[in-house]
Amino acid sequence: AQSVSQHNHHVILSEAASLELGCNYSYGGTVNLFWYVQYPGQHLQLLLKYFSGDPLVKGIKGFEAEFIKSKFSFNLRKPSVQWSDTAEYFCAVNALNFGNEKLTFGTGTRLTIIP
Amino acid sequence: NAGVMQNPRHLVRRRGQEARLRCSPMKGHSHVYWYRQLPEEGLKFMVYLQKENIIDESGMPKERFSAEFPKEGPSILRIQQVVRGDSAAYFCASSPRGQGSNTEAFFGQGTRLTVV
Repeated sequence: AQSVSQHNHHVILSEAASLELGCNYSYGGTVNLFWYVQYPGQHLQLLLKYFSGDPLVKGIKGFEAEFIKSKFSFNLRKPSVQWSDTAEYFCAVNALNFGNEKLTFGTGTRLTIIP
Repeated sequence: NAGVMQNPRHLVRRRGQEARLRCSPMKGHSHVYWYRQLPEEGLKFMVYLQKENIIDESGMPKERFSAEFPKEGPSILRIQQVVRGDSAAYFCASSPRGQGSNTEAFFGQGTRLTVV
C-alpha cells in the first residue's frame, strides 16, 4: 500500500521568506500527485497537480512543485510567502494501479506566516 | 456551479446515537469519495461510490459505518451507535470520472462530528 510522508509538521516563516514543504511517497509505479491547501474553517482547495509531462508544475497563488521520480518526491515551493498563505497544506498521491481510485494523504503541514 | 455541499457543518451526538452526514456532489459528478480526518492526522480514505454502487469500501470500519449514493439525492454516510472515537471531520469529495482517469477531486467543507 502506498504511503505519503510530510516531514514538516509545523513551519513558521516571516512574510517574504521562501517556502519549501517536503512530500515523499512510497510507490514504484505511475502516480498522480496533488497539493491541497486548507484555510482555517474552509474546505480543501487544489493548489496544483501532476499527471504527466513537465515535472515542474505551476499552481495557483504563486505555488509550484517539482516531481522528482528518482527521489519519490513532490516538494511544494513558493519564492515569497504572504501572511494570507497561513493554512494547512496536504500532499496527496493516487497510485495508478488497477482499481485504485483513492487518494492517500500525508499528515499535513501547518504553515504560519508572521507579518 | 455550486461546489460540493456537505451538511450539517457541525454535528453533536451523544454516545449510542446515530449520525447521518450528507454530501451533494458537484453538478455532473457521479463519483463520490468519503474521507475522515482525525485530530492531528491527515485525511484517510473511507469509501468510494458511484451512483447506486459501492466501488471501494476498503477504508470503512467493519461495523457501524455504512454509505450510500442513491440514484436521486445526496450521498449519505451513516454511523450507528457512535462512540467518542468517531469524533472527527468527515470530508466528501466528488469527481466527474474515477481518479484513475487523471482527474481531480473537489472537496466539500466537511462535517465536524463531536460525540459527547
